[in-house]
Amino acid sequence: GIQVEQSPPDLILQEGANSTLRCNFSDSVNNLQWFHQNPWGQLINLFYIPSGTKQNGRLSATTVATERYSLLYISSSQTTDSGVYFCEITQGGSEKLVFGKGTKLTVNP
Amino acid sequence: DSGVTQTPKHLITATGQRVTLRCSPRSGDLSVYWYQQSLDQGLQFLIQYYNGEERAKGNILERFSAQQFPDLHSELNLSSLELGDSALYFCASSPRLAVYTQYFGPGTRLTVL
Repeated sequence: GIQVEQSPPDLILQEGANSTLRCNFSDSVNNLQWFHQNPWGQLINLFYIPSGTKQNGRLSATTVATERYSLLYISSSQTTDSGVYFCEITQGGSEKLVFGKGTKLTVNP
Repeated sequence: DSGVTQTPKHLITATGQRVTLRCSPRSGDLSVYWYQQSLDQGLQFLIQYYNGEERAKGNILERFSAQQFPDLHSELNLSSLELGDSALYFCASSPRLAVYTQYFGPGTRLTVL
């Protein structure tokens, strides 16, 4: 089946720093989403982005489907950005959904 | 608050038992998804229903089954429970058949003793 790899697995930042999280996938995808799981376990949708670039405040995302990767940018990080960031894809040709293993982000004050 | 509700929040049961987890999607959403999150397996897609019909299957065990009712709420039934079934079970909903934006419920934490 399709492989979804996220990097880095762990990231520790000081408040105010910028970061880039990466999601690589091994085959064509129909859909791609980025989620944030906060320290209380709640999963929150950040972007639906099968291709192109989107921005929402300090967060932006870019997916280059032809090269099979997506990037999530976090600027001016805040302690509330801490948690785990997941990408989820829908495999091309099927409707199976696959999550990456996530990037655990810790933002220190 | 995503608008997706799940009950119960916590469930503690014994091996061999059967439990039912319930999910109510956001108002107007026709698609419901179930996921399992465990420390060793991460987030795993189990099954999707759309307007009462099964739409896609992931890594769902044969001991598990689900259904979506005419009022669009969904139930996930887990039977012959094993210790390894202990996990956080999430439900998500989305408005359309194709996944656009998924909204996740708070999850049900299942502990099998």
